[in-house]
Amino acid sequence: DAKTTQPTSMDCAEGRAANLPCNHSTISGNEYVYWYRQIHSQGPQYIIHGLKNNETNEMASLIITEDRKSSTLILPHATLRDTAVYYCIVTSTGTASKLTFGTGTRLQVTL
Amino acid sequence: GAVVSQHPSWVICKSGTSVKIECRSLDFQATTMFWYRQFPKQSLMLMATSNEGSKATYEQGVEKDKFLINHASLTLSTLTVTSAHPEDSSFYICSARESGSSYEQYFGPGTRLTVT
Repeated sequence: DAKTTQPTSMDCAEGRAANLPCNHSTISGNEYVYWYRQIHSQGPQYIIHGLKNNETNEMASLIITEDRKSSTLILPHATLRDTAVYYCIVTSTGTASKLTFGTGTRLQVTL
Repeated sequence: GAVVSQHPSWVICKSGTSVKIECRSLDFQATTMFWYRQFPKQSLMLMATSNEGSKATYEQGVEKDKFLINHASLTLSTLTVTSAHPEDSSFYICSARESGSSYEQYFGPGTRLTVT
């Protein structure tokens, strides 16, 4: 699976959009971009995933560049409860696929 | 939907004893379950992949005789830490992938193990 690079930490004011970048320059054609988050002392929570098109769900939007070498997770209106570590993971699908967690981005949402 | 539970949520045991952690998919069937370990201020590290009815596949460096995994049904996988030592103290997290799906994994809330 391709390696990802994320900033170690970011701050965001409550109510503003949080834009979390991820670089995955070695991504291959059959690999998806997944985003999970982990609130302190809890199990990770699935947020969104995509292959090449931009995706949106009730939690977030995922913007993938045309060359697929980077992506951005957007939380449109961050709240204090969005404070967490956000993991960008690139993996292929299929029964043998597994998630390799990097160090992620620690997002701190402040008043 | 897609809820995964773990039991217990936390456990304290004495060095040398064994501890069993359960992972259940509550509202779906999971052919594949995964076990992770997370030390303080570190990321999750995959320990093993558990497939229902077959032997688990362990990641490099994980002792299969120390971390026994059983996946006897489509809704239950267990991790037994045998002869636990203080260095086994960690946050153990399981995840489950729905049968027939190759997409997202659903994670349990984790089990905090403290070995004294």
